[in-house]
Amino acid sequence: GIQVEQSPPDLILQEGANSTLRCNFSDSVNNLQWFHQNPWGQLINLFYIPSGTKQNGRLSATTVATERYSLLYISSSQTTDSGVYFCAVELKRIYNQGGKLIFGQGTELSVKP
Amino acid sequence: DAGVIQSPRHEVTEMGQEVTLRCKPISGHDYLFWYRQTMMRGLELLIYFNNNVPIDDSGMPEDRFSAKMPNASFSTLKIQPSEPRDSAVYFCASSFPRRGTGNNNEQFFGPGTRLTVL
Repeated sequence: GIQVEQSPPDLILQEGANSTLRCNFSDSVNNLQWFHQNPWGQLINLFYIPSGTKQNGRLSATTVATERYSLLYISSSQTTDSGVYFCAVELKRIYNQGGKLIFGQGTELSVKP
Repeated sequence: DAGVIQSPRHEVTEMGQEVTLRCKPISGHDYLFWYRQTMMRGLELLIYFNNNVPIDDSGMPEDRFSAKMPNASFSTLKIQPSEPRDSAVYFCASSFPRRGTGNNNEQFFGPGTRLTVL
């Protein structure tokens, strides 16, 4: 089946630092989402980004579908950015299946004050 | 909109008991998904529905698990009998896929139910 690999698995930053998280996937996809799971366990939608680049405040994401990867950029990190960041993809070959997502294992980010 | 609603938020039960988890999707969404999150297996899809009809239940671990969607605004995931290895966080999610221009399959998650089976 499809492989969704995220790197790095863990990341520790000092507040104010920038970081890049990567998501590689092994098959063509219809869409890709980035989520932040906060320390309370909630999954927060960050980006719906099957291709191209989007920005939302200090966060931005880029997906290059033809090369099967996506990047999540966090600039000027804050302690509230701590948590686990997940990449999830919908397989292209089940186009009419309503967005069934396959998750990567996540990147656990810790931002120190 | 209130988002996806799940209840209970926490459930502690003893092995052998029946457990029922509940979900209300976002109004107007016609796809509903049940996921399970564990340390060992991460986030994995259990089952999903389209217009209240189960489409793919290949992720349901065994016959002890069952899910229903009696109407567009309510779904249940039942475990009977429960076992300690069922301990996990169970998430419900919903989406309203739109095809063509502005294609958008974005999926939205509820807060989850943390299940502990003793």
